[in-house]
Amino acid sequence: QVQLQESGPGLVKPSQTLSLTCTVSGGSISSGNYYWSWIRQPAGTGLEWIGRLFTSGSTNYNPSLNRRVTMSVDTSKNQLSLKVTSVTAADTGVYYCARASRAVAGLYYFDLWGQGTLVTVSS
Amino acid sequence: DIQMTQSPSSLSASVGDRVTITCRASQTIGTYLNWYQQIPGKAPQLLIYAASSLQSGVPSRFSGSGSGTDFTLTIRSLQPEDSATYYCQQSYYTPTWTFGQGTKVEIK
Repeated sequence: QVQLQESGPGLVKPSQTLSLTCTVSGGSISSGNYYWSWIRQPAGTGLEWIGRLFTSGSTNYNPSLNRRVTMSVDTSKNQLSLKVTSVTAADTGVYYCARASRAVAGLYYFDLWGQGTLVTVSS
Repeated sequence: DIQMTQSPSSLSASVGDRVTITCRASQTIGTYLNWYQQIPGKAPQLLIYAASSLQSGVPSRFSGSGSGTDFTLTIRSLQPEDSATYYCQQSYYTPTWTFGQGTKVEIK
């Protein structure tokens, strides 16, 4: 079955760029009517949606992060990537990639999640 | 921006109890509402989509209802393995998908 695995540095210095990769295995990232999203969770708090990418390459981002976030896809490697620039301690948390499937027009739900990767922003 | 507000923030209940969690949207979202369960240290898992559709493999003691702005997740007979945090999420207002702040369920 399809699985997602996040990877990337666990420690990033303040003001630098956080870069993560999500590898999709067991299926093609290009197949199906899916959005692919990044979601993060600061320690002890709730879930924050970061953004979404359609397999065509179109993207939408959370306005609270919009200017600092870039998502992209490499279909040849079956990978998604996330970059967050100018990070601060507030960007520390567990980062998940997730697949959003469509129930009806506009109604999407996250039916597949990676295990998550912890990123700490600290000097 | 649309806000999703869950209540209560936490609750403690006994095995076998009926548990109800509420999610309120700041604007109408039809039935574009999903529920997730997150066990500590694990990724969230989908329980309910489209307000009331049970995800494949999820026990039937979980159910969802509601439309418009008010939604409910019910656990019919609480089990020890249901100790977790539960989140609602809307996908009506694009491009921003929003989660509620979570409800932590503990077993007495």
